[in-house]
Amino acid sequence: GAVVSQHPSWVICKSGTSVKIECRSLDFQATTMFWYRQFPKQSLMLMATSNEGSKATYEQGVEKDKFLINHASLTLSTLTVTSAHPEDSSFYICSAREVAGREQYFGPGTRLTVT
Amino acid sequence: AQSVTQLDSQVPVFEEAPVELRCNYSSSVSVYLFWYVQYPNQGLQLLLKYLSGSTLVKGINGFEAEFNKSQTSFHLRKPSVHISDTAEYFCAVTPLSGGYNKLIFGAGTRLAV
Repeated sequence: GAVVSQHPSWVICKSGTSVKIECRSLDFQATTMFWYRQFPKQSLMLMATSNEGSKATYEQGVEKDKFLINHASLTLSTLTVTSAHPEDSSFYICSAREVAGREQYFGPGTRLTVT
Repeated sequence: AQSVTQLDSQVPVFEEAPVELRCNYSSSVSVYLFWYVQYPNQGLQLLLKYLSGSTLVKGINGFEAEFNKSQTSFHLRKPSVHISDTAEYFCAVTPLSGGYNKLIFGAGTRLAV
């Protein structure tokens, strides 16, 4: 149980385009989903917390207009990187916490490369 | 605020040898503690967690960790490692208050078997 999927697993896009990453909880309902960014050989940096049906809460320094987060249902959250630039290239990982749960379940990650 | 320090960025070890990955944390409130493993180009998998009760916690793949409140440590151990244990290991904490939302990660320790 407690499986989280991400799609796509990797994506290459041109500079200036937008790309959407999906995060799904497959066998549980996730009140809260989290989006992390991980640079090579570094730890995870929390970008934002999204609660179903409400606006996401962004961490300091994360541009909310650039990283659009939508959590429209209890099983799906999306992260859209708008007007992507090469510096946005990174490994993006989502996690989900079930209702009244105390731990987060992580997706397999999405490798984004902006050329 | 909370912080997590993983004292070793890389730990080389021979196969079948024991290993300890160190984790210390700082927090003004009580926390839950976690160890995660990350294989190359994958997400994080929970190894074990300490929420309450016995300070010795056993997890998957033969790993265990001991919570030491006085030393604010949560070191991860395995008595005999395998090549398949080669991965990045992250220690993390989350405060008991605040809805268990924010996971604060350490910088990670690369275990090279």
